Amino acid sequence: DAKTTQPNSMESNEEEPVHLPCNHSTISGTDYIHWYRQLPSQGPEYVIHGLTSNVNNRMASLAIAEDRKSSTLILHRATLRDAAVYYCILLNTGTASKLTFGTGTRLQVTL
Amino acid sequence: DTAVSQTPKYLVTQMGNDKSIKCEQNLGHDTMYWYKQDSKKFLKIMFSYNNKELIINETVPNRFSPKSPDKAHLNLHINSLELGDSAVYFCASSQRGHYGYTFGSGTRLTVV
Repeated sequence: DAKTTQPNSMESNEEEPVHLPCNHSTISGTDYIHWYRQLPSQGPEYVIHGLTSNVNNRMASLAIAEDRKSSTLILHRATLRDAAVYYCILLNTGTASKLTFGTGTRLQVTL
Repeated sequence: DTAVSQTPKYLVTQMGNDKSIKCEQNLGHDTMYWYKQDSKKFLKIMFSYNNKELIINETVPNRFSPKSPDKAHLNLHINSLELGDSAVYFCASSQRGHYGYTFGSGTRLTVV
């Protein structure tokens, strides 16, 4: 499985945008870029995913570099409820594809 | 209305016992998974079933046996429980392909 690299932790102020980076220099052409988050004492939650083009949904935006070797998850206005561990994961669509979690980025949001 | 539901939420049991965790999804997904999250919060896949067929079986002791009676259900039976089995077990489901996974809220297993 191709690996991703994320900062261990980031901090943000409430109501400000947050840009969470992810590097995936060994990404293959059939790898989709997935983002999940895990709030304290909860299961992982799907946030967004994409292949080549930028994606937007009600939770976040995903900006994918033109060479696909990096991506950025954008939370437009962070709230205290966005404090979580955010995981950037590459998902290949082969027969036995699976989400393989790394250590993620712990996002702290302060007032 | 819960999309992926697991029972029980908490399970405390003695070493050597056998226990089961059940999972059900009402999303119409064709693939289900079991993940284990240890005390260091590392999430690791254990098994995956697609339409009742086992397609992923990671290096897991054979004391762990998954069973999928239909594509909406995936159960996990654990024999001869050990202290090291204490963890949070998450069930998940997805539609096969590049689609997002939906996770349950977890079963916290404590072996004493």
